[in-house]
This record gives sequence, structure tokens and C-alpha cells, in this order.
Amino acid sequence: TQLLEQSPQFLSIQEGENLTVYCNSSSVFSSLQWYRQEPGEGPVLLVTVVTGGEVKKLKRLTFQFGDARKDSSLHITAAQPGDTGLYLCAGDWTGGGADGLTFGKGTHLIIQP
Amino acid sequence: GAVVSQHPSWVICKSGTSVKIECRSLDFQATTMFWYRQFPKQSLMLMATSNEGSKATYEQGVEKDKFLINHASLTLSTLTVTSAHPEDSSFYICSADNNEQFFGPGTRLTVL
Repeated sequence: TQLLEQSPQFLSIQEGENLTVYCNSSSVFSSLQWYRQEPGEGPVLLVTVVTGGEVKKLKRLTFQFGDARKDSSLHITAAQPGDTGLYLCAGDWTGGGADGLTFGKGTHLIIQP
Repeated sequence: GAVVSQHPSWVICKSGTSVKIECRSLDFQATTMFWYRQFPKQSLMLMATSNEGSKATYEQGVEKDKFLINHASLTLSTLTVTSAHPEDSSFYICSADNNEQFFGPGTRLTVL
């Protein structure tokens, strides 16, 4: 069973601060996805990273894939209350496209105004 | 594009009854769909892979006789929770594969 370690599990910071969420595995990913989930809703895809060392930006969110494709990070700059939510990383190790995703435990993020 | 719907969005049932949850891909065909379960304050756990025209593949620890999956068409997969008990109360989420996984909005099941 592949394991995905996500940290921190809970984070509460003030508006305007920066934060980083980490996702790590001992195995090489074929691809890794970051999702955001609101209470009572399904997860919504933020980004997919595939290439080692890849960096993708989505406004104030920066996603990085480790060179060895075993880890990834999500960095939020100048966090806003609207960023509050559950952030999930999910890994695909096989690359076949027809395998279920393994999710990290998630990071519950609260941005206080 | 790539919209996935689930029905119902929430359901409350008595212990011992069976509940069917539908997952539909609205604007694409999906040979493969996935069912996940999410308990409060926890992450999503893959339950099974639903393959159109063949038997579902269940993850370790998931009872196939309790969670019946039918994927009769390229746009519909159903999950039936048989003889539901309070411990089955959870948020059930499906996803459909279209080069990447697109998730439905989830179904909140509460078993009394």
C-alpha cells in the first residue's frame, strides 16, 4: 500500500501571512494532484504536476514537484480568508490513468481576518 | 466540460435498509469510475474501482457484498449500500476518469 504523508494537518494563520503545505512519499509518483474541498462538496482539482522539478502557479498559489517526484509542496502567499478550506494532495503511482487516487490526510487551513 | 453529478445529495435511512447512490458523467463517457468514502474531518479513502461492463475492483477491507457497484453504461455507476448500519454513515464521493479524475459533489448518508 502506497502512503502519502501530508503536513501539517491543521493550520490557522492570520490574513496576509504565507504558508506551505507538504506532501511526501517514499515512492515515485507518476503524477500528483492538489485539490481543495469545501464542506459538503466534492474535491476540486487545483493542479496536476507530472515532471520532476516542475513549478506551477495559480495566482497566489505555487505548486512544486520534487526533482525525484516523491514529494510536492503547496505555497500560499499573502493568505486571505477566502483560502480557508481543506487542501488535499493525491498521488498516482502507476500512471495508467485508470487507478484510484491515494489521498493524503489533508490540511485544514483557516485564515483569520 | 467534464461534469460529474451524484444523486441523491443526501439521504437518511433506517438501519437495515439499502440505499442506492448514482454517479453520472454528464458530458463525457467514462469507462472507469471510482467510489470514495470520507468520514468527518478525514480524507478520502478509495473504496472501489467501477469498470463499465465488468466487475468492480474493491480495495482491501471493503466488503463487496455490502457495497454493491454496478456500472451498466458509460455514463452511470451506482453504489448500493446494503443493510446499512450507523457506522456506514459517511460522505460518499464518486469520480469519473477522463484523462484525469473529475469528482462528483458527494452524497451524505446518515443511517439512523
